Amino acid sequence: DAMVIQNPRYQVTQFGKPVTLSCSQTLNHNVMYWYQQKSSQAPKLLFHYYDKDFNNEADTPDNFQSRRPNTSFCFLDIRSPGLGDAAMYLCATSRQQGLNTEAFFGQGTRLTVV
Amino acid sequence: EDQVTQSPEALRLQEGESSSLNCSYTVSGLRGLFWYRQDPGKGPEFLFTLYSAGEEKEKERLKATLTKKESFLHITAPKPEDSATYLCAVQAKSWGKLQFGAGTQVVVTP
Repeated sequence: DAMVIQNPRYQVTQFGKPVTLSCSQTLNHNVMYWYQQKSSQAPKLLFHYYDKDFNNEADTPDNFQSRRPNTSFCFLDIRSPGLGDAAMYLCATSRQQGLNTEAFFGQGTRLTVV
Repeated sequence: EDQVTQSPEALRLQEGESSSLNCSYTVSGLRGLFWYRQDPGKGPEFLFTLYSAGEEKEKERLKATLTKKESFLHITAPKPEDSATYLCAVQAKSWGKLQFGAGTQVVVTP
């Protein structure tokens, strides 16, 4: 089935040690998003891509970076994870235009910082 | 600034006890309003998109409605498997990103 796949599902990293989360999609959507979700909170948009055009939210810390080498893959890099970065990280995709612009999410990566 | 407020924060229902969740929003030009279901430890699962006031969508025991200021998700005769957090999100015409509410956590007991 076409879907959004995130790897790994669970990631444990040490304080300050760089970590990369990955997302792939088979929906051929041109928009990809990274959201951060902490317990009992709304998903918070970190950045998104329209094709290769990168859009950073104003309040996304510099510690967070992203790469999208092609339509299918997107990566979230956390350069120096702090304890406050422990969260669920959600990747989503959507069409940019037309009627059906709903976002489809992956299962998320639960990041623990020790 | 686009805002989405969901109420109540939590809802506990007996199996078969119908209820409604509210999503109030302010957005400059609505492209779409979306409802998602999220189970613990998983990503949100898409349920419905509503585009204009007066529109309704149904799926099994769920029915979503939309006005110019709010949306309701009605749960009719819920079952324990309907227990989840229900998220509402809006998308502005001028800006493609989804602005989410904090969700309503629904627990349905047998």
